[in-house]
Amino acid sequence: ETGVTQTPRHLVMGMTNKKSLKCEQHLGHNAMYWYKQSAKKPLELMFVYNFKEQTENNSVPSRFSPECPNSSHLFLHLHTLQPEDSALYLCASSQGDGDTEAFFGQGTRLTVV
Amino acid sequence: DQQVKQNSPSLSVQEGRISILNCDYTNSMFDYFLWYKKYPAEGPTFLISISSIKDKNEDGRFTVFLNKSAKHLSLHIVPSQPGDSAVYFCAASDSGGYQKVTFGIGTKLQVIP
Repeated sequence: ETGVTQTPRHLVMGMTNKKSLKCEQHLGHNAMYWYKQSAKKPLELMFVYNFKEQTENNSVPSRFSPECPNSSHLFLHLHTLQPEDSALYLCASSQGDGDTEAFFGQGTRLTVV
Repeated sequence: DQQVKQNSPSLSVQEGRISILNCDYTNSMFDYFLWYKKYPAEGPTFLISISSIKDKNEDGRFTVFLNKSAKHLSLHIVPSQPGDSAVYFCAASDSGGYQKVTFGIGTKLQVIP
């Protein structure tokens, strides 16, 4: 399998649930990202990991908790979300710092009810 | 305040004609610009880029033009094909590599057969 793979593709969760999004890249990249895409808004960068270390957290609420156990895997743990958190969550990877192109997964469409 | 603006939410073009997608930016520190294409239910895919030292970059049917004085870039697709129907995102970076990329909101292109 190649590229960036995200699971699940769709997720519906209640506000009291805990769930996790998973991302896996098979490109040998060193940097991984979580983005949020809401309707009628630009892609919003949430977190950046370089060599498993978090290097960016764009003022994301603590109900979103990322985890990067190795350079190939990235998780986004979700708990006590709000309906306004419903969005498409995209994972991406790139070769590393200085690189200017990223490869995206297909995204997880999250609905919070 | 959006630093990368795509003011046309949608565009319809006849097959075989030219599609022109526009993008404006406000940050004069941006020096690298990218276009991504996104089909429904898929993640964005990199299409073409241009450095600020150039004013044109061509790749097959796709050409990106950069006007630094106007802080404007455009993507030309000629001839347009039905398979080009997608959402096109403009993005810009300020020498921080991909990790400093800022995205526009996207323009939905429909190529009519």
